[in-house]
Amino acid sequence: QKEVEQDPGPLSVPEGAIVSLNCTYSNSAFQYFMWYRQYSRKGPELLMYTYSSGNKEDGRFTAQVDKSSKYISLFIRDSQPSDSATYLCAMTPGHPLSGGYNKLIFGAGTRLAVHP
Amino acid sequence: DAGVIQSPRHEVTEMGQEVTLRCKPISGHDYLFWYRQTMMRGLELLIYFNNNVPIDDSGMPEDRFSAKMPNASFSTLKIQPSEPRDSAVYFCASNTDRDLNTGELFFGEGSRLTVL
Repeated sequence: QKEVEQDPGPLSVPEGAIVSLNCTYSNSAFQYFMWYRQYSRKGPELLMYTYSSGNKEDGRFTAQVDKSSKYISLFIRDSQPSDSATYLCAMTPGHPLSGGYNKLIFGAGTRLAVHP
Repeated sequence: DAGVIQSPRHEVTEMGQEVTLRCKPISGHDYLFWYRQTMMRGLELLIYFNNNVPIDDSGMPEDRFSAKMPNASFSTLKIQPSEPRDSAVYFCASNTDRDLNTGELFFGEGSRLTVL
Protein backbone atom coordinates (compact mmCIF):
# COMPACT_ATOMS: atom_id res chain seq x y z
CA GLN A 1 0.00 0.00 0.00
CA LYS A 2 1.31 3.44 -0.91
CA GLU A 3 1.80 5.93 1.90
CA VAL A 4 -0.26 8.50 0.04
CA GLU A 5 -3.19 7.59 -2.19
CA GLN A 6 -4.70 9.94 -4.72
CA ASP A 7 -7.27 9.20 -7.42
CA PRO A 8 -5.55 9.93 -10.74
CA GLY A 9 -8.77 11.01 -12.46
CA PRO A 10 -9.16 12.50 -14.96
CA LEU A 11 -11.80 14.73 -13.49
CA SER A 12 -13.77 16.80 -15.99
CA VAL A 13 -16.05 19.60 -14.81
CA PRO A 14 -17.83 22.57 -16.39
CA GLU A 15 -16.59 26.08 -15.76
CA GLY A 16 -17.95 27.48 -12.51
CA ALA A 17 -18.25 24.12 -10.78
CA ILE A 18 -16.93 23.39 -7.30
CA VAL A 19 -14.12 20.88 -7.48
CA SER A 20 -13.08 18.54 -4.68
CA LEU A 21 -9.68 16.84 -4.84
CA ASN A 22 -8.67 14.35 -2.18
CA CYS A 23 -5.81 12.35 -0.74
CA THR A 24 -5.69 9.69 1.92
CA TYR A 25 -2.59 8.66 3.79
CA SER A 26 -1.56 5.83 6.06
CA ASN A 27 1.23 7.33 8.17
CA SER A 28 -0.29 9.04 11.22
CA ALA A 29 3.01 10.90 11.72
CA PHE A 30 2.30 13.16 8.73
CA GLN A 31 1.73 16.68 10.02
CA TYR A 32 2.52 19.12 7.21
CA PHE A 33 0.42 19.04 4.09
CA MET A 34 0.81 20.76 0.76
CA TRP A 35 -0.95 20.98 -2.55
CA TYR A 36 1.05 21.45 -5.72
CA ARG A 37 -0.34 22.32 -9.13
CA GLN A 38 1.34 21.06 -12.28
CA TYR A 39 0.45 22.37 -15.71
CA SER A 40 1.13 20.18 -18.72
CA ARG A 41 4.82 19.99 -19.61
CA LYS A 42 5.77 22.08 -16.58
CA GLY A 43 7.17 21.44 -13.12
CA PRO A 44 4.93 21.40 -10.03
CA GLU A 45 4.43 24.65 -8.13
CA LEU A 46 3.24 25.06 -4.56
CA LEU A 47 -0.39 26.09 -4.31
CA MET A 48 -1.15 25.79 -0.60
CA TYR A 49 0.48 24.69 2.62
CA THR A 50 -1.28 23.69 5.83
CA TYR A 51 -0.36 22.35 9.22
CA SER A 52 -2.62 20.35 11.52
CA SER A 53 -6.32 19.75 11.13
CA GLY A 54 -8.76 22.37 9.93
CA ASN A 55 -9.31 24.60 6.93
CA LYS A 56 -7.17 27.15 5.18
CA GLU A 57 -8.54 29.46 2.53
CA ASP A 58 -6.75 31.37 -0.24
CA GLY A 59 -9.00 33.02 -2.75
CA ARG A 60 -10.98 30.37 -4.61
CA PHE A 61 -8.95 27.58 -2.98
CA THR A 62 -9.60 25.90 0.37
CA ALA A 63 -7.37 23.21 1.84
CA GLN A 64 -8.86 20.95 4.46
CA VAL A 65 -7.08 18.49 6.72
CA ASP A 66 -8.76 15.78 8.78
CA LYS A 67 -6.03 13.99 10.70
CA SER A 68 -8.44 11.67 12.51
CA SER A 69 -9.50 10.24 9.15
CA LYS A 70 -6.07 10.67 7.52
CA TYR A 71 -7.74 12.59 4.74
CA ILE A 72 -6.96 15.89 3.07
CA SER A 73 -8.91 17.83 0.48
CA LEU A 74 -8.51 20.75 -1.85
CA PHE A 75 -11.65 22.60 -2.90
CA ILE A 76 -11.74 24.92 -5.88
CA ARG A 77 -14.71 27.29 -6.09
CA ASP A 78 -15.91 28.84 -9.34
CA SER A 79 -13.48 26.69 -11.31
CA GLN A 80 -11.94 28.22 -14.43
CA PRO A 81 -10.42 26.68 -17.55
CA SER A 82 -7.07 28.02 -16.30
CA ASP A 83 -7.40 25.63 -13.33
CA SER A 84 -6.97 22.70 -15.72
CA ALA A 85 -3.86 20.96 -14.45
CA THR A 86 -2.70 18.03 -12.37
CA TYR A 87 -2.96 18.56 -8.62
CA LEU A 88 -0.55 16.70 -6.37
CA CYS A 89 -0.83 16.42 -2.63
CA ALA A 90 2.36 16.18 -0.61
CA MET A 91 3.15 15.71 3.06
CA THR A 92 5.96 15.27 5.56
CA PRO A 93 6.10 13.50 8.92
CA GLY A 94 7.37 16.57 10.72
CA HIS A 95 8.38 20.13 10.10
CA PRO A 96 10.13 20.12 6.72
CA LEU A 97 13.38 21.14 8.39
CA SER A 98 13.26 19.44 11.79
CA GLY A 99 16.28 17.19 12.33
CA GLY A 100 17.43 17.79 8.80
CA TYR A 101 15.28 17.92 5.72
CA ASN A 102 12.09 15.85 5.88
CA LYS A 103 11.36 14.51 2.45
CA LEU A 104 8.06 15.36 0.85
CA ILE A 105 5.94 12.31 0.03
CA PHE A 106 3.83 13.04 -3.04
CA GLY A 107 0.57 11.58 -4.19
CA ALA A 108 0.35 10.46 -7.80
CA GLY A 109 -1.71 13.51 -8.78
CA THR A 110 -5.27 14.07 -10.02
CA ARG A 111 -5.72 15.42 -13.52
CA LEU A 112 -8.42 18.11 -13.68
CA ALA A 113 -10.01 19.49 -16.83
CA VAL A 114 -12.35 22.48 -16.59
CA HIS A 115 -14.23 23.01 -19.83
CA PRO A 116 -15.91 26.30 -20.85
CA ASP B 1 15.34 35.33 -11.47
CA ALA B 2 15.16 32.83 -14.33
CA GLY B 3 14.11 29.98 -12.09
CA VAL B 4 15.55 26.49 -12.12
CA ILE B 5 16.96 25.72 -15.55
CA GLN B 6 17.18 22.19 -16.86
CA SER B 7 18.64 20.78 -20.05
CA PRO B 8 17.96 19.08 -22.30
CA ARG B 9 14.17 19.45 -22.29
CA HIS B 10 13.82 16.29 -24.36
CA GLU B 11 16.18 13.42 -24.92
CA VAL B 12 15.63 10.32 -26.99
CA THR B 13 18.34 7.71 -26.82
CA GLU B 14 18.90 4.05 -27.34
CA MET B 15 19.30 1.46 -24.66
CA GLY B 16 22.87 1.25 -23.41
CA GLN B 17 23.76 4.85 -24.13
CA GLU B 18 24.91 7.30 -21.48
CA VAL B 19 22.52 10.09 -20.58
CA THR B 20 23.48 13.29 -18.77
CA LEU B 21 20.85 15.68 -17.46
CA ARG B 22 21.83 19.13 -16.28
CA CYS B 23 20.44 21.57 -13.76
CA LYS B 24 21.14 25.14 -12.76
CA PRO B 25 19.39 25.98 -9.46
CA ILE B 26 18.09 29.38 -8.49
CA SER B 27 20.95 31.59 -7.36
CA GLY B 28 21.34 31.57 -3.58
CA HIS B 29 19.49 28.31 -3.05
CA ASP B 30 21.46 25.82 -0.99
CA TYR B 31 19.26 22.77 -1.46
CA LEU B 32 19.03 20.94 -4.76
CA PHE B 33 16.79 17.96 -5.47
CA TRP B 34 16.48 15.48 -8.33
CA TYR B 35 13.05 13.89 -8.84
CA ARG B 36 11.71 11.41 -11.34
CA GLN B 37 8.06 11.38 -12.46
CA THR B 38 6.29 8.49 -14.14
CA MET B 39 2.65 7.57 -14.53
CA MET B 40 3.13 4.40 -12.54
CA ARG B 41 5.16 5.71 -9.63
CA GLY B 42 4.36 9.42 -9.55
CA LEU B 43 6.99 11.86 -8.29
CA GLU B 44 9.93 10.19 -6.56
CA LEU B 45 12.90 11.82 -4.87
CA LEU B 46 16.14 10.38 -6.21
CA ILE B 47 18.76 12.41 -4.35
CA TYR B 48 19.22 15.78 -2.71
CA PHE B 49 22.18 18.03 -1.97
CA ASN B 50 22.73 20.63 0.71
CA ASN B 51 25.54 23.11 0.09
CA ASN B 52 26.76 20.94 -2.82
CA VAL B 53 27.06 17.84 -0.60
CA PRO B 54 24.88 14.79 -1.32
CA ILE B 55 22.78 14.18 1.79
CA ASP B 56 20.40 11.39 0.87
CA ASP B 57 20.72 9.23 -2.23
CA SER B 58 18.48 6.42 -1.01
CA GLY B 59 16.07 7.06 -3.87
CA MET B 60 18.63 6.43 -6.57
CA PRO B 61 17.36 3.26 -8.22
CA GLU B 62 20.69 1.53 -8.80
CA ASP B 63 24.35 1.98 -9.56
CA ARG B 64 23.60 3.02 -13.11
CA PHE B 65 22.47 6.37 -11.70
CA SER B 66 24.89 8.95 -10.36
CA ALA B 67 24.58 12.63 -9.47
CA LYS B 68 27.11 15.34 -8.86
CA MET B 69 27.09 18.95 -7.78
CA PRO B 70 30.54 20.39 -8.43
CA ASN B 71 29.49 23.91 -7.43
CA ALA B 72 26.51 25.87 -6.18
CA SER B 73 25.21 26.66 -9.65
CA PHE B 74 25.36 23.32 -11.43
CA SER B 75 24.35 19.71 -10.98
CA THR B 76 24.22 16.66 -13.23
CA LEU B 77 22.30 13.41 -13.14
CA LYS B 78 23.91 10.67 -15.18
CA ILE B 79 22.50 7.33 -16.27
CA GLN B 80 24.96 4.80 -17.65
CA PRO B 81 23.95 2.52 -19.27
CA SER B 82 20.39 3.67 -19.89
CA GLU B 83 17.47 1.23 -20.09
CA PRO B 84 13.91 1.60 -21.43
CA ARG B 85 12.53 1.55 -17.87
CA ASP B 86 14.44 4.77 -17.18
CA SER B 87 12.05 6.61 -19.49
CA ALA B 88 10.47 9.35 -17.39
CA VAL B 89 10.45 13.07 -16.75
CA TYR B 90 13.33 14.09 -14.52
CA PHE B 91 12.88 17.24 -12.47
CA CYS B 92 15.40 19.33 -10.64
CA ALA B 93 14.22 21.53 -7.78
CA SER B 94 15.94 23.95 -5.44
CA ASN B 95 15.25 25.93 -2.29
CA THR B 96 16.60 27.61 0.82
CA ASP B 97 16.14 26.84 4.50
CA ARG B 98 13.64 29.70 4.84
CA ASP B 99 11.31 28.54 2.09
CA LEU B 100 11.56 24.91 3.09
CA ASN B 101 9.67 25.88 6.25
CA THR B 102 6.56 25.79 4.07
CA GLY B 103 7.59 22.68 2.19
CA GLU B 104 7.95 24.68 -0.98
CA LEU B 105 10.23 23.43 -3.72
CA PHE B 106 10.94 25.40 -6.90
CA PHE B 107 10.92 22.99 -9.81
CA GLY B 108 12.42 23.30 -13.24
CA GLU B 109 10.42 22.40 -16.32
CA GLY B 110 11.87 18.91 -16.44
CA SER B 111 13.85 16.76 -18.85
CA ARG B 112 11.73 14.21 -20.69
CA LEU B 113 13.81 11.10 -21.32
CA THR B 114 12.84 8.34 -23.72
CA VAL B 115 15.06 5.28 -23.92
CA LEU B 116 14.30 3.06 -26.90
